[in-house]
Amino acid sequence: DQQVKQNSPSLSVQEGRISILNCDYTNSMFDYFLWYKKYPAEGPTFLISISSIKDKNEDGRFTVFLNKSAKHLSLHIVPSQPGDSAVYFCAALTQGGSEKLVFGKGTKLTVNP
Amino acid sequence: DADVTQTPRNRITKTGKRIMLECSQTKGHDRMYWYRQDPGLGLRLIYYSFDVKDINKGEISDGYSVSRQAQAKFSLSLESAIPNQTALYFCATSVPGTGQETQYFGPGTRLLVL
Repeated sequence: DQQVKQNSPSLSVQEGRISILNCDYTNSMFDYFLWYKKYPAEGPTFLISISSIKDKNEDGRFTVFLNKSAKHLSLHIVPSQPGDSAVYFCAALTQGGSEKLVFGKGTKLTVNP
Repeated sequence: DADVTQTPRNRITKTGKRIMLECSQTKGHDRMYWYRQDPGLGLRLIYYSFDVKDINKGEISDGYSVSRQAQAKFSLSLESAIPNQTALYFCATSVPGTGQETQYFGPGTRLLVL
């Protein structure tokens, strides 16, 4: 039973446009959410996170939005650049609990020049 | 130098062989993890350790064992490798209690079991 779902295996956008990656979760105990980026032949790297007490967190071109009632979060990249082409994983955890990250299956983003 | 290193980076082995994947970190983190990544399945937790004397099973621990030799070292063993253990394996570390359970990943070990 998948607790963190990324329903789009892939996404293709034009350079300069907005990329929106979506993630849904089923476990209402999750209270901290993270996005990781992974390039081929490398390990995942932390990108941005958000606590459940917030609905938005912004870091440069990257913004994560959290809709707790819908159990949905999204990552916006504006403007998208070819170097953003990678696999993006959504992850969630319950702070103060086991604190184990639960990952989605990932979305492969391709930004075309 | 990389903070989290994994050896080997690539390994080909035969069914039934015992192999060990090693992970070392210089970040000084107490928590270490082993994941596997399969195409279309994302990252799944195999084992994790919150300190040197702590070992816990993840969601897919069958067929694997681990050893936490020191704070900086966490090894994953496949006692008798089978083809469906062909995958990309990642080690990770983290710092607890900061309110940000960010994990730092190694570069991965690509394992092929024939």
